[in-house]
Amino acid sequence: EPEVTQTPSHQVTQMGQEVILRCVPISNHLYFYWYRQILGQKVEFLVSFYNNEISEKSEIFDDQFSVERPDGSNFTLKIRSTKLEDSAMYFCASSGARLADEQFFGPGTRLTVL
Amino acid sequence: LAKTTQPISMDSYEGQEVNITCSHNNIATNDYITWYQQFPSQGPRFIIQGYKTKVTNEVASLFIPADRKSSTLSLPRVSLSDTAVYYCLVGDGKAGTALIFGKGTTLSVSS
Repeated sequence: EPEVTQTPSHQVTQMGQEVILRCVPISNHLYFYWYRQILGQKVEFLVSFYNNEISEKSEIFDDQFSVERPDGSNFTLKIRSTKLEDSAMYFCASSGARLADEQFFGPGTRLTVL
Repeated sequence: LAKTTQPISMDSYEGQEVNITCSHNNIATNDYITWYQQFPSQGPRFIIQGYKTKVTNEVASLFIPADRKSSTLSLPRVSLSDTAVYYCLVGDGKAGTALIFGKGTTLSVSS
């Protein structure tokens, strides 16, 4: 069964550093998403991406965040200058283009900002 | 967006049927009802989706009454591995649309 993969599984960084989280969505999917989950809290939407541009973003997704699909397979989330409060599990997801299509989530990257 | 309300937690024993009800009083005509499951330290996983009446797959059943203001996820004969958080989501299901998760229902299954 095809699956979404994410690397690294765990990233530790210093406050103020840039991090790039990587995802490989399911190959025939057209929509890509990033979500995050702070420990003990609910899953929060960050951004969705389609046809090489952002289609929707939340208030969390400010100028410190950016997304990119640098080639035909990878989808990345960049945080330019990390803050302590960016520590969370970051999930990538992808979906097809059908109405009410399910989103397939990756295993997540645990980001720890020190 | 339709607001959903579901119990914070439920307890069950192995082999029992578990029913988790979700209220969504202001569901819109074009909204679907979707349930996701999340194990600790893993991403959410789609379980089932429906629009009206009953939907069944190999994992669960989803019961939706005619007024669609609530729905019930039914897990037959749960096992310890069904211990997870279950989320009820309501939305138009358009591709690319954000999933808005609530706190979900934490199901604990004991032996």
